[in-house]
Amino acid sequence: RKEVEQDPGPFNVPEGATVAFNCTYSNSASQSFFWYRQDCRKEPKLLMSVYSSGNEDGRFTAQLNRASQYISLLIRDSKLSDSATYLCVVNGGRAGRRALTFGSGTRLQVQP
Amino acid sequence: SQTIHQWPATLVQPVGSPLSLECTVEGTSNPNLYWYRQAAGRGLQLLFYSVGIGQISSEVPQNLSASRPQDRQFILSSKKLLLSDSGFYLCAWSEWAGGDTQYFGPGTRLTVL
Repeated sequence: RKEVEQDPGPFNVPEGATVAFNCTYSNSASQSFFWYRQDCRKEPKLLMSVYSSGNEDGRFTAQLNRASQYISLLIRDSKLSDSATYLCVVNGGRAGRRALTFGSGTRLQVQP
Repeated sequence: SQTIHQWPATLVQPVGSPLSLECTVEGTSNPNLYWYRQAAGRGLQLLFYSVGIGQISSEVPQNLSASRPQDRQFILSSKKLLLSDSGFYLCAWSEWAGGDTQYFGPGTRLTVL
């Protein structure tokens, strides 16, 4: 089983749509959770951290369910500029607590 | 503010040639440093991480090595490249005593022919 699993997509949605991505992780000891965004042929960039109580940053909402080891990202009112690959990331794993384990990413394509 | 640099940006090397990729961080002290590789269409694979000068942990057996000769300098090397070494190499840093958030450099795209 992969340490972090994501639906690879692609998700093709029209502008203005709401889209949700899900992620599951296997390490129950993980304490830090993130969503990163990666544009084609670029480095990953932090989109937002994910907190236990859930958190929102503008059009983006992240949720964490520790009991189910499940993380979600909701994007409202999608923009063309949201087209990218979204990486689910948790800390811990084989390399220890400070290492981050990345999912393979979910590709989003927002269409006009 | 902190910045992270990597060079070169792109590299084309023949099989069997040596490799040296460099990463430097500015604006912070004693960062944790990481090397990742991303093969085409794949996720990020952690190769090495370092919590201090001269301290390197290797995550996967391979023909690559890493060194940290200075606090904010991290180098990825190989004596003889293989075709399978092609990929996008990313350096990242995180605060030594802070949270787990990692920040990535712009990456080096390596093609081994």
